[in-house]
Amino acid sequence: DTAVSQTPKYLVTQMGNDKSIKCEQNLGHDTMYWYKQDSKKFLKIMFSYNNKELIINETVPNRFSPKSPDKAHLNLHINSLELGDSAVYFCASRRTNQETQYFGPGTRLLVL
Amino acid sequence: GQQLNQSPQSMFIQEGEDVSMNCTSSSIFNTWLWYKQDPGEGPVLLIALYKAGELTSNGRLTAQFGITRKDSFLNISASIPSDVGIYFCAGLAGANNLFFGTGTRLTVIP
Repeated sequence: DTAVSQTPKYLVTQMGNDKSIKCEQNLGHDTMYWYKQDSKKFLKIMFSYNNKELIINETVPNRFSPKSPDKAHLNLHINSLELGDSAVYFCASRRTNQETQYFGPGTRLLVL
Repeated sequence: GQQLNQSPQSMFIQEGEDVSMNCTSSSIFNTWLWYKQDPGEGPVLLIALYKAGELTSNGRLTAQFGITRKDSFLNISASIPSDVGIYFCAGLAGANNLFFGTGTRLTVIP
């Protein structure tokens, strides 16, 4: 009965590789997000997405691209991984007209 | 972008003590939120504040939305070991942009 789930929980990969992180929510929410948490625990929004609109944080490199096959899923694809991409990535979702965002457990990405 | 600073950065307290932490922003927000992050988990919402001056409680937690709309504080009374974690304030700009504070790491010593 997990609300927001992410896979994988851990991802270790080499520089230059392309990888995807998956997110699924079973809450019936229509807006989903990706956040990045760095080594100092600072959380920063990367994308917000609903059926109609993708909003990209301007500081996010275009190597990062969200892909949503349907309302319940928002995957994050990363091209040409760099050392600085190492972080914990959190997916979140919310229902329109409600402020509360529900977070997934995070994906710990380590780029070697 | 918006900068939200939390203080203190970390706290070490004895079980049973009360805790107070605050959050200040360079920008005005219309909604303030407080989240807790346990080790290895995602942030979980504790309290949401929607109006300047509002004081809201959730069990042992009390939070206030500052009159200037640029600050908020969170109090935890009678701390227990499971209060350990990182507490984040967050300001909501528009419908989607949630800006997180720098976090306060709380350690409770039994």
